Amino acid sequence: AQKVTQAQTEISVVEKEDVTLDCVYETRDTTYYLFWYKQPPSGELVFLIRRNSFDEQNEISGRYSWNFQKSTSSFNFTITASQVVDSAVYFCALRGAYSGAGSYQLTFGKGTKLSVIP
Amino acid sequence: DTEVTQTPKHLVMGMTNKKSLKCEQHMGHRAMYWYKQKAKKPPELMFVYSYEKLSINESVPSRFSPECPNSSLLNLHLHALQPEDSALYLCASSQGERTYEQYFGPGTRLTVT
Repeated sequence: AQKVTQAQTEISVVEKEDVTLDCVYETRDTTYYLFWYKQPPSGELVFLIRRNSFDEQNEISGRYSWNFQKSTSSFNFTITASQVVDSAVYFCALRGAYSGAGSYQLTFGKGTKLSVIP
Repeated sequence: DTEVTQTPKHLVMGMTNKKSLKCEQHMGHRAMYWYKQKAKKPPELMFVYSYEKLSINESVPSRFSPECPNSSLLNLHLHALQPEDSALYLCASSQGERTYEQYFGPGTRLTVT
C-alpha cells in the first residue's frame, strides 16, 4: 500500500520569509514517481513538479526548490522569499510504475495550507 | 499549452434534477479523469478513460455516469444526487495511462439541495 504524509496542516509565514513544506511517503515499489501540486483558492490543481525514484537530483525552479531523499523517504518543497500569491493548499502525491489499469492512481497527501501574510 | 477547461464553474441542482458536467482538453491527451474533492480533503479518483474507453470506475454510485464522446471531451452525467455529493469535481488529463503528469481543470463546484 502507498501512503503520503504531509504532517503540516497549516503554515503561516510573513511575506519574504522562506518556508519548507514536508512530504514523507511510503511505498513498496522500487520505481515510483513523486509530485507536488498547488491548489489556489480558485480550485484548480496546478502541476509543479514530478520526480522519478531513480533520480535523486534536487531541483530548483525560480523561488521553488525540491529536496528528494530516498534514505528518509522524503520529498520536501521549499519556497524562497515567499509572496502572497504563494498562498494555496499544496499537495504531495505518489504513484507507482505502470503495471496495468489502475496502477496509475495518484496517492495524495492531505495537503498543507500555506498562508503568506503581507 | 497545458489547459483543461470545465463547464459550468458552479452548479446548484435539486435531488431530482439531471445535469451534466463537461470537460475539454486540446493537448492531444489520451487519458482523462474525473475526481471528486470535498472541502479540506485531497481529490479522490472517480473514473479514468483511456483512449475513450472506461478504464477505471472506483466503485462510484450509478447516479454518476461518465461519458467520453471523443478524445478531447469528457462528460459526467448527474442524476438523483444526494446532498453529500456536493463537492468540487475536477477533470484531469494526461498524455496516456503510462504518462505520469496529470493536468487538472479549474473544477465545477456542485451544490445539491
